[in-house]
Amino acid sequence: GAGVSQSPSNKVTEKGKDVELRCDPISGHTALYWYRQSLGQGLEFLIYFQGNSAPDKSGLPSDRFSAERTGGSVSTLTIQRTQQEDSAVYLCASCLGLGVAEETQYFGPGTRLLVL
Amino acid sequence: AQSVTQLDSQVPVFEEAPVELRCNYSSSVSVYLFWYVQYPNQGLQLLLKYLSGSTLVKGINGFEAEFNKSQTSFHLRKPSVHISDTAEYFCAVSSNAGNMLTFGGGTRLMVKP
Repeated sequence: GAGVSQSPSNKVTEKGKDVELRCDPISGHTALYWYRQSLGQGLEFLIYFQGNSAPDKSGLPSDRFSAERTGGSVSTLTIQRTQQEDSAVYLCASCLGLGVAEETQYFGPGTRLLVL
Repeated sequence: AQSVTQLDSQVPVFEEAPVELRCNYSSSVSVYLFWYVQYPNQGLQLLLKYLSGSTLVKGINGFEAEFNKSQTSFHLRKPSVHISDTAEYFCAVSSNAGNMLTFGGGTRLMVKP
């Protein structure tokens, strides 16, 4: 079956521009996560959506970062006024969302963002 | 708070040799432990996970890991590696608080012919 998909696969932008990254989770998965993979920080959690609950935004590095999830499915991560330190691979993951910590998260291929 | 340490950033090994990738964690609560693999230009794929029960966990592609509570370790092993195992390997933990994963820094396994 179809896995988690992300678009675009690569994005090059100029410092100060806004970017939107898209994630399509596996059908039926109610939980969705965004992570960032960068050279300096490794893999770090950004934000978590579970059903209709308020998202857990505890990992967002600044108020320039925001995310939404429409209709409980597709999610968009928005970075405003991008900075060079935002350059990274942004990974999306989804799982069934049963609320148990041992659930397997399924990852998308990521969006590679380069801020010039 | 929880953290994960992967002691080796790179591990070079010859094909058909055994390999061990080390992972240590710290947490004030019970955790669940995972190993993910990332092949070049691909997303993360689950290799195996420890939830409870037997401390020796077998995963895909011939990998296994052993949970050691006293040493807070979850080392990954394979008795004989292949060229195709060349990838980056991430150890991760989650707790009951939302299931978000905390990752180690990753270990790049380089298998040489």
